Amino acid sequence: AQSVTQPDIHITVSEGASLELRCNYSYGATPYLFWYVQSPGQGLQLLLKYFSGDTLVQGIKGFEAEFKRSQSSFNLRKPSVHWSDAAEYFCAVGAPGAGSYQLTFGKGTKLSVIP
Amino acid sequence: EPEVTQTPSHQVTQMGQEVILRCVPISNHLYFYWYRQILGQKVEFLVSFYNNEISEKSEIFDDQFSVERPDGSNFTLKIRSTKLEDSAMYFCASSVAGGRENIQYFGAGTRLSVL
Repeated sequence: AQSVTQPDIHITVSEGASLELRCNYSYGATPYLFWYVQSPGQGLQLLLKYFSGDTLVQGIKGFEAEFKRSQSSFNLRKPSVHWSDAAEYFCAVGAPGAGSYQLTFGKGTKLSVIP
Repeated sequence: EPEVTQTPSHQVTQMGQEVILRCVPISNHLYFYWYRQILGQKVEFLVSFYNNEISEKSEIFDDQFSVERPDGSNFTLKIRSTKLEDSAMYFCASSVAGGRENIQYFGAGTRLSVL
């Protein structure tokens, strides 16, 4: 069974600083990988996804993530954080296959931004 | 932009009562899901639904849970006899297709409080 670990529960950065949120997964093959963001009172919004191909993927709001098979990681990065990026970020993995599949989520990392 | 809508945003119920959580998926989507997040824990998959039947379910989704698509727009989760441990945020999601196109779009969630 797949699993996801987000080692950082809470991260605080200054506005304009760079950001990296860590995500490690456990799965027997190459999974589908996702980052979602949740702002207070909002649903889970998809930031970016990786299915195959280029290991560096671009998402919305200036975020990117890099899939590293050797490290079983899919870390999320942003070069310059804005105050509006304060939210909770979830990494998720899905097992490829036919039909629908379940997503397995990490516990999330809460991001606080200092003005 | 189309979105998944969940009602109510907060539901309070007494232990042993039945609750129905409602979701309106994105209109052209064919796959529907329920997830839950107990406070401080991971978002967990409950069930997926396609073509008027359950596709997958987790071990959490026992006999006290049921799902239904009563009409062309709503997707509901029923908990027959609520327990204290059912208190959680429940997320509905939908996707236009399965497999590679299976990007799941989430609603804002219903917070269920069982007293």
